[in-house]
Amino acid sequence: EAGVTQFPSHSVIEKGQTVTLRCDPISGHDNLYWYRRVMGKEIKFLLHFVKESKQDESGMPNNRFLAERTGGTYSTLKVQPAELEDSGVYFCASSQDRMDGETQYFGPGTRLLVL
Amino acid sequence: AQSVTQLGSHVSVSEGALVLLRCNYSSSVPPYLFWYVQYPNQGLQLLLKYTSAATLVKGINGFEAEFKKSETSFHLTKPSAHMSDAAEYFCAVTPRGPDGNQFYFGTGTSLTVIP
Repeated sequence: EAGVTQFPSHSVIEKGQTVTLRCDPISGHDNLYWYRRVMGKEIKFLLHFVKESKQDESGMPNNRFLAERTGGTYSTLKVQPAELEDSGVYFCASSQDRMDGETQYFGPGTRLLVL
Repeated sequence: AQSVTQLGSHVSVSEGALVLLRCNYSSSVPPYLFWYVQYPNQGLQLLLKYTSAATLVKGINGFEAEFKKSETSFHLTKPSAHMSDAAEYFCAVTPRGPDGNQFYFGTGTSLTVIP
């Protein structure tokens, strides 16, 4: 069974440009999460999809970030326009159910550097 | 809000020595607790998790963790370190109940194993 995949693995862009990150969850997983780790700090929650619906987007830093999950399969996270402080590693995770204590399975992350 | 503290951002041990990575959580109600490991260029891999059964949890690769409610701790141990254990380790929690979906992470501990 394929795990969570993310594309690209690395992205280097200039301030003001747009970047789109993609996440493919494990097949059959309705729940999809985005997290971000800024260098040296903890991994922080951004948002949670259940199928195509945003269940919780309380962690989204501002309106420059737009997440979508059309059709309830893969998800994209767009940053427009990118700022220096957006640099970090963006992780995607998925889980099958919303049961208490459900394990989340993480992808390898996308390393974003904004210059 | 939940918070997770991992004491020691960098830990070095000799090959064959005991590995002890510390994790403390902040909530008054014990959450679900997880340890993840990230090897270079890979995603976060689940090592073990505590739900509410035995307080001593055994995971993969010889790791185990003990939940201690009185100390609000969930420290990770391995009796004998191998070179292949060199990685970054993350402690994470998620609250029990309907709000328990997002994970809260510690800042991570990078483990170096010295030959």
